[in-house]
Amino acid sequence: EVHLVESGGGLVQPGGSLRLSCSASGFTFSRYTLHWVRQAPGKGLEYVSLISNNGGSTYYADSVKGRFTISRENSKNTLYLQMSSLRPEDTAVYYCVHTDYSSGFYWGRGTLVTVSS
Amino acid sequence: ERVMTQSPATLSVSPGERATLSCRASQSVSSNLAWYQQKPGQAPRLLIYGASTRATGIPARFSGSGSGTEFTLTISSLQSEDVAVYYCQQYDNWPPWTFGQGTKVDIK
Repeated sequence: EVHLVESGGGLVQPGGSLRLSCSASGFTFSRYTLHWVRQAPGKGLEYVSLISNNGGSTYYADSVKGRFTISRENSKNTLYLQMSSLRPEDTAVYYCVHTDYSSGFYWGRGTLVTVSS
Repeated sequence: ERVMTQSPATLSVSPGERATLSCRASQSVSSNLAWYQQKPGQAPRLLIYGASTRATGIPARFSGSGSGTEFTLTISSLQSEDVAVYYCQQYDNWPPWTFGQGTKVDIK
């Protein structure tokens, strides 16, 4: 069974940094592209970033480009999202997501990031 | 980037009645469309992928249809536990995946 657990969220001041982690199990981690999606309070779902299976390719939404860095550690089955220069509009629940497209999409429970002074 | 538009924004349905939710894509997404249910404080729960394939453990009252640019999620007999916000997601042209803005379903 696929299991994704995000951690690392919390309260941070504008301009600050935070690193999110996503610990994965139940699938061969090193074979799959992984994704981050976020949801601001009371708002819809926004795609944030992806990283290919070997880390060689990444993608960032324009809203986070240049401020967020996605990475992974395949030996630890862990995905990361390093967030810097945080803004109040980055306040959201951040979800990591796995899919192989043939059996569906698997989401973690999310971790809340609050950017406020 | 494919823009996904859901309608209506809010849908009020009597218990036991049918609920029909729509999702339209700005360009064809083939059958690469998923539907999610989200309740307050919870992560999105996958209902449908491939436009019409029910995810594991999803009750048969949930069904999806459509292809190309027009999609429908039908709840055949609304139960009280179905009160939630429902999102569609395209994964045909990515990155990025794009999501509709959501349809809130409540009990009339």
